[in-house]
Amino acid sequence: EAQVTQNPRYLITVTGKKLTVTCSQNMNHEYMSWYRQDPGLGLRQIYYSMNVEVTDKGDVPEGYKVSRKEKRNFPLILESPSPNQTSLYFCASRPYTWNYGYTFGSGTRLTVV
Amino acid sequence: AQSVTQPDIHITVSEGASLELRCNYSYGATPYLFWYVQSPGQGLQLLLKYFSGDTLVQGIKGFEAEFKRSQSSFNLRKPSVHWSDAAEYFCAVGASTQGGSEKLVFGKGTKLTVNP
Repeated sequence: EAQVTQNPRYLITVTGKKLTVTCSQNMNHEYMSWYRQDPGLGLRQIYYSMNVEVTDKGDVPEGYKVSRKEKRNFPLILESPSPNQTSLYFCASRPYTWNYGYTFGSGTRLTVV
Repeated sequence: AQSVTQPDIHITVSEGASLELRCNYSYGATPYLFWYVQSPGQGLQLLLKYFSGDTLVQGIKGFEAEFKRSQSSFNLRKPSVHWSDAAEYFCAVGASTQGGSEKLVFGKGTKLTVNP
């Protein structure tokens, strides 16, 4: 089944403890992207990648890192999480053309205490 | 800059009634337009998309949307709503710039409640 897989689905962590949210897609898509969803603010892009080793900042990149060493994987790294990074995170991927839109993962609900 | 406006934060309809969710966008070029649905605790599922051709597009679950360039609108419709349609609906425009950035720009969403 064609899908974007995120792990974990739920995560509670403490301030300052490094964490990684994994994202993997099995559709051979070129583009991958991370979004966060917050009440009242909607969905905002954190980082995106156009292909292996090509990444760029979105609208809210502060406090996050990403890497794209393989085409299928696009992990989101929080090196020193803070409570304002408590949010619902989505990974998404799409092929080279916009025609098919983005396919989203099921989301990761992160709580930083 | 690209933007998407969904004027209705919350809509309540009765089961079996018709539905129209409004979406207006701002984008300089021919837009790639999408409607996504998010059920509670779930991810975003693509309902339908428009990028060219026939301005009335059909999607999954009986939804359709009409692209009107003159009004910069892409409204979502369904002739008869089912209780399982209760969810939050997001309109989005796919934006790529000459500088190389790209993203889906989302509206703030419309939450749909369906009364029995």
